[in-house]
Amino acid sequence: DTGVSQNPRHKITKRGQNVTFRCDPISEHNRLYWYRQTLGQGPEFLTYFQNEAQLEKSRLLSDRFSAERPKGSFSTLEIQRTEQGDSAMYLCASRGGAAHYEQYFGPGTRLTVT
Amino acid sequence: AQKVTQAQTEISVVEKEDVTLDCVYETRDTTYYLFWYKQPPSGELVFLIRRNSFDEQNEISGRYSWNFQKSTSSFNFTITASQVVDSAVYFCALSEARAGSYQLTFGKGTKLSVIP
Repeated sequence: DTGVSQNPRHKITKRGQNVTFRCDPISEHNRLYWYRQTLGQGPEFLTYFQNEAQLEKSRLLSDRFSAERPKGSFSTLEIQRTEQGDSAMYLCASRGGAAHYEQYFGPGTRLTVT
Repeated sequence: AQKVTQAQTEISVVEKEDVTLDCVYETRDTTYYLFWYKQPPSGELVFLIRRNSFDEQNEISGRYSWNFQKSTSSFNFTITASQVVDSAVYFCALSEARAGSYQLTFGKGTKLSVIP
């Protein structure tokens, strides 16, 4: 039974560049979440997918951020024109059906913007 | 709006001591869910427990126990006979039924260091 996987695990980029992260949820999970975690803080919600539909976005998700889940399986999170303030750990989580409320997290992608 | 407060930023205990991590939450929803997650130095968040708002039964799992009290809006976590492997950051989190996404709102975490 494989858990949630995320790639890459680390990304260093220069300010102004675009980056894309990938998340593969647990195979039978149709609900997928993205969170951002900065140093010394708890994760903060960014966006939510049920199957391929993006049903909720946080105000934290500026116009430079976009997320997709084209076939209801893996998801991508893209940040355009990165800024130093985007440096953080980006976490993906998934959960199963309606009665299963716990989310299972991947190892995260650590982004450093120089 | 929902909020989770973990007032203890860091705790240090000597191995085999008991330790309690505090969590206080705020919500206007009548149906909600509370969680504890562990984040070891490797960084991956590990799910520990979920409690439903309509189930105030306390729970014990090995050396771990959880005390849920709606009257004080608290969901505290106790580790009995702590071990070095318990060293991690522990997060309390809340999700509300009225938010269709059931997104998690996390506290800032409590860093537990267990000293051998």
